[in-house]
Amino acid sequence: EDKVVQSPLSLVVHEGDTVTLNCSYEVTNFRSLLWYKQEKKAPTFLFMLTSSGIEKKSGRLSSILDKKELSSILNITATQTGDSAIYLCAVDHSGTYKYIFGTGTRLKVLA
Amino acid sequence: NAGVTQTPKFRVLKTGQSMTLLCAQDMNHEYMYWYRQDPGMGLRLIHYSVGEGTTAKGEVPDGYNVSRLKKQNFLLGLESAAPSQTSVYFCASSYTGGSDTQYFGPGTRLTVL
Repeated sequence: EDKVVQSPLSLVVHEGDTVTLNCSYEVTNFRSLLWYKQEKKAPTFLFMLTSSGIEKKSGRLSSILDKKELSSILNITATQTGDSAIYLCAVDHSGTYKYIFGTGTRLKVLA
Repeated sequence: NAGVTQTPKFRVLKTGQSMTLLCAQDMNHEYMYWYRQDPGMGLRLIHYSVGEGTTAKGEVPDGYNVSRLKKQNFLLGLESAAPSQTSVYFCASSYTGGSDTQYFGPGTRLTVL
């Protein structure tokens, strides 16, 4: 059965800390992995990682795909209170149009 | 450009009542999806559509029906609501299916008493 597992489930840090969120997956015919940030409402897209693009960076956020370990990490450096959110990982595999989402990591950044 | 919109934003139903959630997108996307989000469960796919006039079952389709009569709209129906359908419902769309960014609507919070 295809599945996506995120860890930790929740995390509390102080402003300025660096955090690493994990996403591991078991899917047939992996095609891509996506990271989303969800604040109060709709998830918003952060990164997409594929076999041809295994590392992405945007400002203080970066993500790496490890195809050998079937996992990805999302790093946030110098965290700010505005980074408080649920971070979702989703994986899609070729042959379907469906994405499988993990349960998310709830991050809280304290001032 | 409104992106993806959902109506209504909130709704309270009694067990056995029916309702329809409307999702609309103005990005000319081919693919549209309905998810539900429950605490500790993440986002689970209910139904999806790969184009106008097509629909397909996702992970948790029971108790729901959908229709995609127009490319820009994707409707989710509950024929006889049950308390287990209390959830937050998100609609999403993407230009292509797979390896493409999904854009999400703001969600509908549904409570079934």
